[in-house]
Amino acid sequence: KQEVTQIPAALSVPEGENLVLNCSFTDSAIYNLQWFRQDPGKGLTSLLLIQSSQREQTSGRLNASLDKSSGRSTLYIAASQPGDSATYLCAVTKAAGNKLTFGGGTRVLVKP
Amino acid sequence: GAGVSQSPSNKVTEKGKDVELRCDPISGHTALYWYRQRLGQGLEFLIYFQGNSAPDKSGLPSDRFSAERTGESVSTLTIQRTQQEDSAVYLCASSRTAGAEKLFFGSGTQLSVL
Repeated sequence: KQEVTQIPAALSVPEGENLVLNCSFTDSAIYNLQWFRQDPGKGLTSLLLIQSSQREQTSGRLNASLDKSSGRSTLYIAASQPGDSATYLCAVTKAAGNKLTFGGGTRVLVKP
Repeated sequence: GAGVSQSPSNKVTEKGKDVELRCDPISGHTALYWYRQRLGQGLEFLIYFQGNSAPDKSGLPSDRFSAERTGESVSTLTIQRTQQEDSAVYLCASSRTAGAEKLFFGSGTQLSVL
């Protein structure tokens, strides 16, 4: 059974600092991995999707890397802003047509 | 529609009552998922639909939970004889194909069972 873990569970940084969020999964046979952002009282927004054949994906200040063999992904957020405060979740899927398995999330607070 | 729409946004019910939660996916999305998120916890998979294939019901916690989907449109999650432990946010999501593309979530239904 696939298990997804995110450490740390919570993170607080001053504005301008770079953020590093970690995601690990126990079964390396994944099809893809997604990073999501969740704001309080709202649904999730997909940030980046990395296919299993890819090593990284970038969107603006966000960069996600994937090391499938070691079962790890890292989300980097450069030059953090207070608006980046949210919970960040990663999720993996085993194959096309399968459900996503989510980690517990990392709650981020960026202090002005 | 422009996004995944869920209704109601909030539902308060008494223990033992049945509730019905609705999800309108993005038009053209063949895959539809239901997840549950209890307070302070991660997302718990409940069920997903992919086109005309048999749904994956492996996450439904008990036979009090059921879900239906009409073609590739609206889905309804029904919880019978609600219990207090059913209190959670129920999130619906859709994608063009299951597992292969970005998932788009609705804002959820906050269910409170008194």
